Amino acid sequence: SQTIHQWPATLVQPVGSPLSLECTVEGTSNPNLYWYRQAAGRGLQLLFYSVGIGQISSEVPQNLSASRPQDRQFILSSKKLLLSDSGFYLCAWRGYDEQYFGPGTRLTVT
Amino acid sequence: AQSVTQLDSQVPVFEEAPVELRCNYSSSVSVYLFWYVQYPNQGLQLLLKYLSGSTLVKGINGFEAEFNKSQTSFHLRKPSVHISDTAEYFCAVIQGAQKLVFGQGTRLTINP
Repeated sequence: SQTIHQWPATLVQPVGSPLSLECTVEGTSNPNLYWYRQAAGRGLQLLFYSVGIGQISSEVPQNLSASRPQDRQFILSSKKLLLSDSGFYLCAWRGYDEQYFGPGTRLTVT
Repeated sequence: AQSVTQLDSQVPVFEEAPVELRCNYSSSVSVYLFWYVQYPNQGLQLLLKYLSGSTLVKGINGFEAEFNKSQTSFHLRKPSVHISDTAEYFCAVIQGAQKLVFGQGTRLTINP
């Protein structure tokens, strides 16, 4: 069966520091992968999605970036965090007709 | 582009009472609709989905939803809620071949 992992589970970072969040999927190959952000009191915002290695589509212009170095690995990065980057970050992969979500990473920028 | 509107940001109900969470979507030729649930500090879990066929869709945990094309709605219902149903609920629609568009979410609070 397929599983999706995210780490770290929680993260507290100062403003201006770099960020790297990792997502890996097991049990499937060449999945579509997605990064969402959920800010406090708001819905889910799609940040990036990828249909294959090295292929990244950005949905919202901001100081975040994404990379897909391997088929089942999706990384969310930032060179310098802003206070507004705080939130709950969710990775997802697309199955046949639905998306499956990871457990999420809670990021607090101080 | 598709859009989804969840009409209620918060819904408080008493335990064992019925509940309806409302969702409207922008019209399209064909739609695939989803309801997800998010328990505190967890990822999203699929409750149910409508792809085609019967307009009444049954999901997990006793939830069901009805697809109404004329009203462009996909409301979620449960005849009797439990404390454990306290969570945030998201309605979503497929956009294009790759993306889900989510509503803003409805926080369901069950009071004893």
